Amino acid sequence: QVQLVESGGGLVKPGGSLRLSCAASGFNFNDYYMTWIRQAPGRGLEWVSYISGSGTIINYADSVKGRFTISRDNTKKSLYLQMNSLRGDDTAVYYCARHKDPGVGAASKWGQGTPVTVSS
Amino acid sequence: DIVMTQSPDSLAVSLGERATINCKSSQSLLYSSNNENYLAWYQQKPRQPPKLLFYWASTRESGVPDRFSASGSGTDFTLTISSLQAEDVAVYYCQQYFSTPYTFGQGTQLEVK
Repeated sequence: QVQLVESGGGLVKPGGSLRLSCAASGFNFNDYYMTWIRQAPGRGLEWVSYISGSGTIINYADSVKGRFTISRDNTKKSLYLQMNSLRGDDTAVYYCARHKDPGVGAASKWGQGTPVTVSS
Repeated sequence: DIVMTQSPDSLAVSLGERATINCKSSQSLLYSSNNENYLAWYQQKPRQPPKLLFYWASTRESGVPDRFSASGSGTDFTLTISSLQAEDVAVYYCQQYFSTPYTFGQGTQLEVK
């Protein structure tokens, strides 16, 4: 069965960096677009970034562009999110998710999320 | 950016009754080349990740009970639960994937009256 397991979250000071990882299993990882979606405490969902199966197509939300970098290692079936210059409004649970199909930007499989807290 | 607006923000419905949630986009989500609406619906229960219910506006994801239905086209979309069950208490979100940045509605909290 499909499994997505995030790791790497934690407490970081403003201006600091974190690297989130997502380990995938149970499907042909390189066939699927992958995405990061976040949810601030008590708030709604915010799309952060996606990456194509080959890694050649990448998009970011304006709120993270220039600070966050999405990447993947298909040999390790892993997705990453490098987060730099972190701010308080980046505090959220970060979910790794798989797109339903290429061309369908709906997230059909989700991890349990990893919390990121940006605070001094 | 495409703005997604859901209504109402919260909804209380009696068990066995119908629940209807609306989602409006600031521009059309209908792609003329394939006649598909680039809209998804999700359900999020407390302390759980969201679960995909529908994509292409009305295509039910595998395993979703048929008391859930979705419809709409262009800029106006609806999620309907025909007979509310206790396990349907959740926050429901619509999301457009027509163009980046993908955007979500603010969510609708569904409760039992």
